[in-house]
Amino acid sequence: DGGITQSPKYLFRKEGQNVTLSCEQNLNHDAMYWYRQDPGQGLRLIYYSQIVNDFQKGDIAEGYSVSREKKESFPLTVTSAQKNPTAFYLCASSIKVRGNEAFFGQGTRLTVV
Amino acid sequence: QQPVQSPQAVILREGEDAVINCSSSKALYSVHWYRQKHGEAPVFLMILLKGGEQKGHDKISASFNEKKQQSSLYLTASQLSYSGTYFCGTEVFAGGGADGLTFGKGTHLIIQP
Repeated sequence: DGGITQSPKYLFRKEGQNVTLSCEQNLNHDAMYWYRQDPGQGLRLIYYSQIVNDFQKGDIAEGYSVSREKKESFPLTVTSAQKNPTAFYLCASSIKVRGNEAFFGQGTRLTVV
Repeated sequence: QQPVQSPQAVILREGEDAVINCSSSKALYSVHWYRQKHGEAPVFLMILLKGGEQKGHDKISASFNEKKQQSSLYLTASQLSYSGTYFCGTEVFAGGGADGLTFGKGTHLIIQP
């Protein structure tokens, strides 16, 4: 079955540690996205990638980093510079960046203590 | 920049109609509509690409006014299964590139029997 997989579903980290969230898709999509979801804030775009080895900052990129070395994978690192990292993180992909349906993963809930 | 959605929340009786609005300050290339149920990933409803275009399936439809950068989602004869949070996502015209799919803060829809 084709789809987009995020792992793990729940993640706990101590304050000051970097943590990497995994996102893998087997849909052969060029575009991939990372969103952060907080209560009352909707989905806020962190980073997106149009193609392998290319990515752009979204609205709230500070404190986050990404890589896109393979078409299937778009991992997100939450660094210690991110002041409020506790949130629900959603990864999505689409065939291309413009004008195409986005498919979402089931999300990772990150809690930093 | 996030599009603006209104209202923030709607409570309806089963069978009533609802309208959710989405507006942007930028010229829009496309408008997407998604529904998210609690604890789940957002699910695609429809995408609108042309000015004045209206799309729909079953009893959910949407319009896109390109001149005003506005879109509205229409839910007719609402069913209990329509409950959830509705998000509009927008893609803007950008010089030589894409700005990514940006979402509003969402509209909570509660359908009561």
